[in-house]
Amino acid sequence: TQLLEQSPQFLSIQEGENLTVYCNSSSVFSSLQWYRQEPGEGPVLLVTVVTGGEVKKLKRLTFQFGDARKDSSLHITAAQPGDTGLYLCAGARDFGNEKLTFGTGTRLTIIP
Amino acid sequence: KAGVTQTPRYLIKTRGQQVTLSCSPISGHRSVSWYQQTPGQGLQFLFEYFSETQRNKGNFPGRFSGRQFSNSRSEMNVSTLELGDSALYLCASSIGGLQNEQFFGPGTRLTVL
Repeated sequence: TQLLEQSPQFLSIQEGENLTVYCNSSSVFSSLQWYRQEPGEGPVLLVTVVTGGEVKKLKRLTFQFGDARKDSSLHITAAQPGDTGLYLCAGARDFGNEKLTFGTGTRLTIIP
Repeated sequence: KAGVTQTPRYLIKTRGQQVTLSCSPISGHRSVSWYQQTPGQGLQFLFEYFSETQRNKGNFPGRFSGRQFSNSRSEMNVSTLELGDSALYLCASSIGGLQNEQFFGPGTRLTVL
């Protein structure tokens, strides 16, 4: 059972366009991390959000944690070819059986 | 400072064999976790070790096991390999655990024939 569903699964857009990636769950998470993974490498952390409703900005990337801490979104403004990669959300829970649950992933391709 | 290293980077085994993968965390990191990544199932948590003790475990069969040494280096073992075990195995280290930033290694690509 996949607890974190990401949409879309694949996204291919032109350079300069905006996009939003969604990460949804029926479970509550104490924190949520976003990673980007490039071919042949491990994922690299972009941001961690911990408070319901929290919004964090990282240059052209805006991350939001849902009020109920069950969902999150990643918005990229004016996408660039360097944004190409696999985007993964990961939820952590610290009540009982702690583990890190990764989302299904969004493969983003920015066309120059 | 040096990142997380994993050895070997590539491995080919046949069904029924066993395999041991190694992970060296970032200096000072006491938490090491292991993940399996496949195109069909995505990235799935295997287990986490902290100060030589398994602290958390995912939903994998007992054929998957691991250990951590006093210098925080970790090994993962898979016994009686199956075709479905073919995957990229990623190791990550962090200062305190799964709530903290995970620093991933490049992974070991395991192919089971």
